[in-house]
Amino acid sequence: DIQMTQSPSSLSASVGDRVTITCRASQSIATDLNWYQQKPGTAPKLLIYAASSLQSGIPSRFAGSGSGTDFTLTISSLQPEDCATYYCQQSYTLPPLTFGGGTKVEIK
Amino acid sequence: QVQLVESGGGVVQPGRSLRLSCGASGFTFSTYGMHWVRQAPGKGLEWVAVISSDGSTKHYRDSVEGRFTISRDNSKNTLYVQMSSLRTEDTAVYYCAREAYRWAFDIWGQGTMVTVSS
Repeated sequence: DIQMTQSPSSLSASVGDRVTITCRASQSIATDLNWYQQKPGTAPKLLIYAASSLQSGIPSRFAGSGSGTDFTLTISSLQPEDCATYYCQQSYTLPPLTFGGGTKVEIK
Repeated sequence: QVQLVESGGGVVQPGRSLRLSCGASGFTFSTYGMHWVRQAPGKGLEWVAVISSDGSTKHYRDSVEGRFTISRDNSKNTLYVQMSSLRTEDTAVYYCAREAYRWAFDIWGQGTMVTVSS
């Protein structure tokens, strides 16, 4: 199985800050990496697919980058509504598809 | 609008069975691969199973292989998962999800809770 490791597990930042979350795969996954946002009590929402493609309807302050084993999700200017847990997911091979452990983002 | 709605969750004893359903609307269900993803209370996301658009190909995570069966009825726009020999570690919110670009999930249901407890 491909292991996905996210860091940090949580962070606290101020409104307007630039926030970066990293995701590392245990082997190369090319650009088969997706990012999701999940708010408490709700289903995850797709933000970024194929490492850097912005899903329709997602604000442009969200951006993804990386290839191979190392990936980042950047929020260019943190907004209050961005408080959530963020997950990366490899879509390089199944079974199984695997997710990172999540990064909880809070506002200072 | 494009929507997935799960049903069938509940409390069940270890070793018993349960079937979850996921009704689709607002899109051509028969042209999409579909997945089940679960989330144990307070934990992260865990992929469970996938079925191809025509139902001919299925894959499972190891821990549910042989116990869970994913299926679909394209005439009814419905996805299913039959869960048997349930274990306490199967306790989770179960989401159905539509497969978009290369196994990314672009549409999710609201989830249905399954609690396995004696």
